[in-house]
Amino acid sequence: AQSVTQLDSHVSVSEGTPVLLRCNYSSSYSPSLFWYVQHPNKGLQLLLKYTSAATLVKGINGFEAEFKKSETSFHLTKPSAHMSDAAEYFCVVLQTGANNLFFGTGTRLTVIP
Amino acid sequence: ETGVTQTPRHLVMGMTNKKSLKCEQHLGHNAMYWYKQSAKKPLELMFVYNFKEQTENNSVPSRFSPECPNSSHLFLHLHTLQPEDSALYLCASSASLGVGGNQPQHFGDGTRLSIL
Repeated sequence: AQSVTQLDSHVSVSEGTPVLLRCNYSSSYSPSLFWYVQHPNKGLQLLLKYTSAATLVKGINGFEAEFKKSETSFHLTKPSAHMSDAAEYFCVVLQTGANNLFFGTGTRLTVIP
Repeated sequence: ETGVTQTPRHLVMGMTNKKSLKCEQHLGHNAMYWYKQSAKKPLELMFVYNFKEQTENNSVPSRFSPECPNSSHLFLHLHTLQPEDSALYLCASSASLGVGGNQPQHFGDGTRLSIL
């Protein structure tokens, strides 16, 4: 069975400081993992995806995530937060053999000026 | 422009009303999805359609009735809803099913549904 756990429901950082959003996954097989972002009153937008190629994945808007099998983690990072990064972030695992996504409960990122 | 358009953006209805949510995708995709997003809960997959055929019904109550007349359009017909059905309903599409993570889902902006 697949599932994801987002360890923080809310993260607050100052503008210009690094961002770390944590995600641990559970999967019976080699997983496909994603990070999606949702801005207020908007749908979800794909930030990046891991599909068993390079373990360090680069996404849009300067975000990246590293797949660590030994730690079953897929944490999202960004070197320097921007005000426009304030949003809800979802870590997602893909059900093996299908296209059904399992979402974490989300992490709300607040960026302080 | 996300390529997936949902209407209406907001809907308020009484428990005895009948209404429909509409989703249209302009991406040439063949798979479409309905999700429910409630506060403090993970996104819940409701229905999956592939080439107009329903492939997944995730134990959704019968007061929600999906319809997929073609690969570009997906509807969610609502009747006799309950207050706990108030949520953001998101539509998504992907190129196809069952090919792993190389064809991600594209989401619309959702319909905010409030049941009085």
